[in-house]
Amino acid sequence: GAGVSQSPSNKVTEKGKDVELRCDPISGHTALYWYRQSLGQGLEFLIYFQGNSAPDKSGLPSDRFSAERTGGSVSTLTIQRTQQEDSAVYLCASSWTGASYEQYFGPGTRLTVT
Amino acid sequence: AQSVAQPEDQVNVAEGNPLTVKCTYSVSGNPYLFWYVQYPNRGLQFLLKYITGDNLVKGSYGFEAEFNKSQTSFHLKKPSALVSDSALYFCAVRGAMGGYSTLTFGKGTMLLVSP
Repeated sequence: GAGVSQSPSNKVTEKGKDVELRCDPISGHTALYWYRQSLGQGLEFLIYFQGNSAPDKSGLPSDRFSAERTGGSVSTLTIQRTQQEDSAVYLCASSWTGASYEQYFGPGTRLTVT
Repeated sequence: AQSVAQPEDQVNVAEGNPLTVKCTYSVSGNPYLFWYVQYPNRGLQFLLKYITGDNLVKGSYGFEAEFNKSQTSFHLKKPSALVSDSALYFCAVRGAMGGYSTLTFGKGTMLLVSP
């Protein structure tokens, strides 16, 4: 079956512009996660959605970052007024409900802020 | 709070030799432990996990990992390395108790296998 897909694969934007990153999870997966991976760094948790529960936003670095998940499926991560330090690879993952289930990752969106 | 340490930024091994990528963790209660691999310009791929049961877990591509509760470690191993194993490896942990918690990743270890 299809895996997690993300679009665009690459995004170059000017400082101060808003960007939207999209994630299509594996069909049926109830949990969806966003991570950020900066050059030479590990994965930084941003936000996760679990079914109809309120999302865990504890990892969002500032109020310029927001995310939504429509209909329990597709998710959009929005970064407003982008800064150069926002340049990174943004990874989306999905999984079944339950702590023992592994996450399946998309290929990522490489964001470059100039 | 939960945390993962991967003490080596890079591991170098010759093809055909055994490899070990180290991981130690800290979590309240019993852990769920995972290894992922990331090839260049790709997302992370799941390799294996420890939930319960046998301390030696076997996964994809001939990799295995040994859970050691007393040492709070979950080292990744392979008996004979391949050049194609060269990639970035991440260890991750999540607590098994008290409802859902996020998955915490280590900083990653770059594995370089030379021909």
